[in-house]
Amino acid sequence: DAGVIQSPRHEVTEMGQEVTLRCKPISGHDYLFWYRQTMMRGLELLIYFNNNVPIDDSGMPEDRFSAKMPNASFSTLKIQPSEPRDSAVYFCASSLHGMNTEAFFGQGTRLTVV
Amino acid sequence: SQELEQSPQSLIVQEGKNLTINCTSSKTLYGLYWYKQKYGEGLIFLMMLQKGGEEKSHEKITAKLDEKKQQSSLHITASQPSHAGIYLCGAVLPDSNYQLIWGAGTKLIIKP
Repeated sequence: DAGVIQSPRHEVTEMGQEVTLRCKPISGHDYLFWYRQTMMRGLELLIYFNNNVPIDDSGMPEDRFSAKMPNASFSTLKIQPSEPRDSAVYFCASSLHGMNTEAFFGQGTRLTVV
Repeated sequence: SQELEQSPQSLIVQEGKNLTINCTSSKTLYGLYWYKQKYGEGLIFLMMLQKGGEEKSHEKITAKLDEKKQQSSLHITASQPSHAGIYLCGAVLPDSNYQLIWGAGTKLIIKP
């Protein structure tokens, strides 16, 4: 398996535009996590899915953020409209058995909103 | 997260020297995870500790969880340039709804 695959690796967009981040988890992993990492706040869990179902989205900062997992091999994180304060590195991770097991992280998407 | 304090924030160590990074909580931890992150890349799992007093080693890295399960240390012996990066601890806390809470990270630089 190639690991968790995220796209794009880098995204620069103008304020107000819609941004969609994509993630392909490791095949067979039932859990998928979206994280955001910034210098100020460190690593924050935004939302996680179990078997494609969103379990906890309490970390999603605002209604501008939404995440979907239409099938076991694909998830998206959408920001609409984007704002400069959304600039961060967004990580997707997957694991076999949830929080108490090893999570495998993607390379991340570095988002810059200007 | 202030719920997990990592120290030091950054560390510069001469190659070949030993070093220790700490991760401390005021609450009992259900599980403690150590990850390493290289700049611009994702996190790589190092070790998971769950039992009080537990100790695990992988190559030259040893992690321990104290008996009270409130503090963990990561010790690197005879550091190498490949050890450079950011080390993050993550833990499941009693009131975190079983979510992983992360420390701020310790940036490790190895001087050749």
